[in-house]
Order: sequence, then structure tokens, then C-alpha cells
Amino acid sequence: DAKTTQPTSMDCAEGRAANLPCNHSTISGNEYVYWYRQIHSQGPQYIIHGLKNNETNEMASLIITEDRKSSTLILPHATLRDTAVYYCIAIPYYNQGGKLIFGQGTELSVKP
Amino acid sequence: DTAVSQTPKYLVTQMGNDKSIKCEQNLGHDTMYWYKQDSKKFLKIMFSYNNKELIINETVPNRFSPKSPDKAHLNLHINSLELGDSAVYFCASSRDRGDTEAFFGQGTRLTVV
Repeated sequence: DAKTTQPTSMDCAEGRAANLPCNHSTISGNEYVYWYRQIHSQGPQYIIHGLKNNETNEMASLIITEDRKSSTLILPHATLRDTAVYYCIAIPYYNQGGKLIFGQGTELSVKP
Repeated sequence: DTAVSQTPKYLVTQMGNDKSIKCEQNLGHDTMYWYKQDSKKFLKIMFSYNNKELIINETVPNRFSPKSPDKAHLNLHINSLELGDSAVYFCASSRDRGDTEAFFGQGTRLTVV
């Protein structure tokens, strides 16, 4: 599985867009980019994933660069409840066993 | 309805004891997992079961024994507890063994004293 690199921490003002970057320069053609988050004292929560096209759902948008070496998770209007650790994970298509390898993630603090 | 539920939420026990953590999912998923999150917040997979069959065992000490009586349940039994077993244990499930959209429980905080 490709290694991903994320900033350790970021701040965002409430109501503004939170843009969380992820570098995955060694990603292979069959690896998806997945994003999870973990709110304090809760289990991780799936957010979104993509292969090469940009993706959007009710929680967030995922922008993947054309060369697929990096991506950005966008929370369009961050709220205090979005304060969490965000994990970017590169996972092969049909990941045998469904194993998730979590790195250190980005600790996002949304401030009033 | 909670999709993935674990019991107990908190568990404090003495070294050397044997304890179990239960997990149930009502999503109709085939695959279930146990993850461990240590004091440094690193989250690491321990086991994966698909339709009651063990498919991943990440070199976990054999004091840890998962048991899956049916595909909706995956329990974790730990023998001879050690101080280093103190952590938060998360159960999760996914549709099948190739699906990486996992649903996690709220965690069980185990403290060994």
C-alpha cells in the first residue's frame, strides 16, 4: 500500500472551508484514496473515497490531482463538530481482508 | 439503532485476569474486524473475520482469541491480561472482505491495573 503524508495539525475558522491535503506520491494505478475521520472518543468514520475523478458527497469533496500524487479533502463549511483527526489512506482495489492502515492523520481544530 | 455495538464501553481489570469484549453488527455485513488504538493514538488492525472465518491475524499474541459465533458477532477474549494491553479496542464491519468502507463501533477502553 502506498505511503501517505499529511500535516500533523491544522486550524480552521467555523463556517469556512477546511482544506486538508494528503501526499501520496507513490500511489499505484489500482489504489484508491480513502478518507476517514475520528472524532474524540468515537470510532473512525468513513468520509469519502476516489480513484482519479473528483468526488462529492453530503459530507465532503475530494479533489485528486491529475497525476494522482496528492489529494485534498474539502469540508465546505466547517463546524465545531468537524473537529477530529482526519486520515488519508491509499488502498488497493478489492483490498483483501478489508484491512485499513491508519497513519498519524491530521488533527483539525475548528475554532469559533 | 446502533450499527456496530460493543460492550462494555469501559473495562478496568487487574493484571492476569481474563476478559471478553463483545461486538455485534446489524448491517448484514459479512466481514468484521478488531482494531487496537494505543496510548499514542495509533490505530492498528488485529483481526479480520469473513463469514466466521479468520482471514487476517496481524501477529497478535495468542492471549488474544477472537470468536465469531455467527457473522453478526465477533467477540474478543483476552487471557492473562498485561499492563501493555491497556488501549481502546474498536470493532468494525464491512459489506465483504474486499470492501474498505468500514463501520466502526464506539470502542471499549480497557485499563489493566
